Amino acid sequence: GQQLNQSPQSMFIQEGEDVSMNCTSSSIFNTWLWYKQDPGEGPVLLIALYKAGELTSNGRLTAQFGITRKDSFLNISASIPSDVGIYFCAGDSGAGSYQLTFGKGTKLSVIP
Amino acid sequence: DGGITQSPKYLFRKEGQNVTLSCEQNLNHDAMYWYRQDPGQGLRLIYYSQIVNDFQKGDIAEGYSVSREKKESFPLTVTSAQKNPTAFYLCASSGTGVQPQHFGDGTRLSIL
Repeated sequence: GQQLNQSPQSMFIQEGEDVSMNCTSSSIFNTWLWYKQDPGEGPVLLIALYKAGELTSNGRLTAQFGITRKDSFLNISASIPSDVGIYFCAGDSGAGSYQLTFGKGTKLSVIP
Repeated sequence: DGGITQSPKYLFRKEGQNVTLSCEQNLNHDAMYWYRQDPGQGLRLIYYSQIVNDFQKGDIAEGYSVSREKKESFPLTVTSAQKNPTAFYLCASSGTGVQPQHFGDGTRLSIL
């Protein structure tokens, strides 16, 4: 089946630093989604991308749909302690049933 | 407020026992999904339903069963045939067309 490679697996950063993470796929996706999950909670949708090359922001978060349609990037600017959590990318290949393929997540820790 | 409600938050299963996890949504979404999440892993699809009285197996359906008798409800039964049921279970729903999935807060299932 399809696989998403998400990197880095984990990262420790100082408060105020910028963060960048990405997902790559062996196949083309029509939609890219980025979620954040806090411990013991369900993932919350951060950004949805629907078109190759699309760049979308949500506050301090910016995500891009790669031009090849096989990758996506999420950037967080000026990190704060509440940014701590696990960030997941997810892609939809458009096979018709809107099934998502998820990356394994990037665990972000912010040092005050 | 509109959303997805999963219950219970924590559930314990004895050997040979079937247990049912509840998922209710008031978002008027047609599609609903069940995922399993293991530590350090992405989400894996168990079952999904795009319409009432119809559902499809996902990647890891063995040992699980579902029903979709009402649009707003999609319960998941973890049967005794599922030999490794300990995991965090997430329910999601989405509207028709290219709509992102939204998640409930999960049920953590453990073996007694």
